[in-house]
Amino acid sequence: QVQLVESGGGVVQPGRSLRLSCAASGFSFSTYGMHWVRQAPGKGLEWVALISFDGSNTYYADSVRGRFTISRDISKNTLFLQMSSLRPEDTAVYYCAKPPRGLPDAFDIWGQGTMVTVSS
Amino acid sequence: DIQMTQSPSSLSASVGDRVTMTCRASQSISTYLNWYHHKPGNAPKLLIYGASILQTGVPSRFSGGGSGTDFTLTISSLQPEDFATYYCQQSYSSPLAFGGGTTVEIK
Repeated sequence: QVQLVESGGGVVQPGRSLRLSCAASGFSFSTYGMHWVRQAPGKGLEWVALISFDGSNTYYADSVRGRFTISRDISKNTLFLQMSSLRPEDTAVYYCAKPPRGLPDAFDIWGQGTMVTVSS
Repeated sequence: DIQMTQSPSSLSASVGDRVTMTCRASQSISTYLNWYHHKPGNAPKLLIYGASILQTGVPSRFSGGGSGTDFTLTISSLQPEDFATYYCQQSYSSPLAFGGGTTVEIK
């Protein structure tokens, strides 16, 4: 079945970097744009980034632009989020999400999430 | 950037009640509006897209309406599994944005 599995979360000091991964299976990964969405403790959902199906276009939330980079390895069916210059306000559960066919900016399949804690 | 505002932030209701929540966009988004159901510890679930189209497998007690800037999500008869937080999300333009959520609690 369609599945997304995130990994790479953990505790990191402010200013440091971390890379998240999302392993995709059960669908044609190379034909879908993919997203990252996060949820800070006690807060709502926040869209983070989008990468086009072929990786040629990327889009970011203002809060992470210039610090985070979304990428993908189609040969490994894996999505990445490289996070740099991390701040305490980046503390959140990070989800990768797949859109439904024909609705590139909605999210119908989500991973279980990976927790990132930015703290000294 | 488009801002999404949901109201109320929380509501208390009983099993079998009809509940309605609203979502307002800071500018017109036509019907590029999606609704999600989210329980702590679980992944969010897409309920409605295009403002009023039920995602496959979603019970018919859920319905959505609206266009432009004002939208509603209605649950016709609350079931125990419906006690959760509901988010609207605009897919009209980047950056994509969610509302702050409406939490449906047991009265």
